Amino acid sequence: DAGVIQSPRHEVTEMGQEVTLRCKPISGHDYLFWYRQTMMRGLELLIYFNNNVPIDDSGMPEDRFSAKMPNASFSTLKIQPSEPRDSAVYFCASSLPGYSPLHFGNGTRLTVT
Amino acid sequence: GQQLNQSPQSMFIQEGEDVSMNCTSSSIFNTWLWYKQDPGEGPVLLIALYKAGELTSNGRLTAQFGITRKDSFLNISASIPSDVGIYFCAGHTSNTGKLIFGQGTTLQVKP
Repeated sequence: DAGVIQSPRHEVTEMGQEVTLRCKPISGHDYLFWYRQTMMRGLELLIYFNNNVPIDDSGMPEDRFSAKMPNASFSTLKIQPSEPRDSAVYFCASSLPGYSPLHFGNGTRLTVT
Repeated sequence: GQQLNQSPQSMFIQEGEDVSMNCTSSSIFNTWLWYKQDPGEGPVLLIALYKAGELTSNGRLTAQFGITRKDSFLNISASIPSDVGIYFCAGHTSNTGKLIFGQGTTLQVKP
């Protein structure tokens, strides 16, 4: 069965450009999470959704970041305008309710020059 | 804020040796999860623990949920080169229910 699918795997863009990262969660999972991973800060939770509704976006760095989940099988994380300090690996994960483990995608490596 | 202290930060061992790593916190957790991340991939769940004192094995891996609910350890027996990677502990806190990750243990195995 398919796991969490993220696209693109790699994204290189210039400062100031808009970046959109995409995620398809595991079918049947009610929760979707966006994480950012850097060497300095490790895995940081940016935002998570329950049944397509954003529940906690306190980890979103600033207004340049936005996330949407228009339906149960698709979510986007958008950065506009992008900055070099946004360079990181962005992971999407999904889970069932309760204290269920998260299942991660393979991430999008973003480089902003 | 709530933190998980994961140690050691890195390990460099000989193939065949046993490995032990742990996570501690001042907060109480309802779950402990152990993940492994290979280069260029996302973290993959190794073991999930749901009850204080629980001891669970998955092949050469063994993990325990500390009796105080504030710590957990992961042991790998007879390490092999493919054990190389970053190991993360994670847990759902009892007060917020949020999943918090440790900083990771980087394991290198010398053949």
